[in-house]
Amino acid sequence: SYEVTQPPSVSVSPGQTARIACSADVLPQQNVYWYQQKPGQAPVLVIYKDTERPSGIPARFSASRSGTTFTLTISGVQAEDEADYYCQSADRFAAWVFGGGTKLTVL
Amino acid sequence: QAQLVQSGAVVKKPGASVKVSCRASGYPFSSYAMHWVRQAPGQRLEWLGWINAGNGYTRYSQTFQGRIIITMDTSASTVYMELSSLRFEDTAVFYCATHLIGNDVWGQGTMVTVSS
Repeated sequence: SYEVTQPPSVSVSPGQTARIACSADVLPQQNVYWYQQKPGQAPVLVIYKDTERPSGIPARFSASRSGTTFTLTISGVQAEDEADYYCQSADRFAAWVFGGGTKLTVL
Repeated sequence: QAQLVQSGAVVKKPGASVKVSCRASGYPFSSYAMHWVRQAPGQRLEWLGWINAGNGYTRYSQTFQGRIIITMDTSASTVYMELSSLRFEDTAVFYCATHLIGNDVWGQGTMVTVSS
């Protein structure tokens, strides 16, 4: 098993770019997924397989990978993007590992 | 479309067991693993375990090993998660979820409250 770390909070003004980093202590065995979760709702997938965007997710959501750091980027942040964001990967036994979550505040 | 429907909210006493169901539809049930995730109030997402819906193989988080059992009924496209020896700190929303090709699906969540 391994751990992934996220910053607890990120704040941006509307229209700016938000970047949320997810650092793994070792190279993940499997792909990284990013979830958006709003209060009282189930998580919603916004990025899968490191950089792919599911259908229906706005193009302003993108992601990248550099070594053991994965970054979710939200370009032109809108008020509706305010939420908690979680990165998730898995170990070689397909056990999911979640980051601690990042609260995105739109100022 | 793919959908996961979970059983309703429950209240249990400390020491009791809870069994939550997750019925899948809209995708080939046996082709994908089903995971269970929980979230205590105001806390992070926490993975509990998964079952291979094709062969019934299971793997559990070490945190819950010995207290959790995940089973399935293929004929009903349903997965069950049973957590025993409940403690106050097990109060949480429990989700089933699966990664499909190009997307994923989560159940609506089941609130489990442990209260005396």
